Amino acid sequence: ETGVTQSPTHLIKTRGQQVTLRCSSQSGHNTVSWYQQALGQGPQFIFQYYREEENGRGNFPPRFSGLQFPNYSSELNVNALELDDSALYLCASSTWTGQAQGYTFGSGTRLTVV
Amino acid sequence: LAKTTQPISMDSYEGQEVNITCSHNNIATNDYITWYQQFPSQGPRFIIQGYKTKVTNEVASLFIPADRKSSTLSLPRVSLSDTAVYYCLVGARMDSSYKLIFGSGTRLLVRP
Repeated sequence: ETGVTQSPTHLIKTRGQQVTLRCSSQSGHNTVSWYQQALGQGPQFIFQYYREEENGRGNFPPRFSGLQFPNYSSELNVNALELDDSALYLCASSTWTGQAQGYTFGSGTRLTVV
Repeated sequence: LAKTTQPISMDSYEGQEVNITCSHNNIATNDYITWYQQFPSQGPRFIIQGYKTKVTNEVASLFIPADRKSSTLSLPRVSLSDTAVYYCLVGARMDSSYKLIFGSGTRLLVRP
């Protein structure tokens, strides 16, 4: 059983650019959620996808968007990068049965915006 | 407004039991409450989940009162390797949307 894998592990982008982060869900999981974790802070929920549709969203602007694919892998896209977008981006997968259950997290992508 | 609150930090000694409480209002009525451990530069690691009353696994226990507005993670006989940040995670329905909300995190320091 493979866990959650994220790519890339580190990334440096310039303010105003766009970035795509990728996540492969744990085998058997149908739900993926994304989080932003600033240094020294707790993870902040960005959004969640279940069967390719967004079924939950945190307080992030529309320039944060995502996709979930038929194999349940996922992408997080961020447009018009700002310096404050520098953070660890975490992906987590789970099995949604009408309620959220224990999530398996990846190791994250460290994004630095300069 | 859904909010989760945890103590910022806790100190303990090896071999002691540690209890960390998370207060959470507006929790989604049918979601599990889950707890995670996080080390620096790593993703959170699942510890335990529960819906109500008490749940125990090989590493921890979780106590949830009937109103589900709080939960307490209990770590028996902590060791130095348990030094980490601990988070509760709950689901909440706000503004007609579903949200997953992490607690503010409790930094546990285990001393020899």
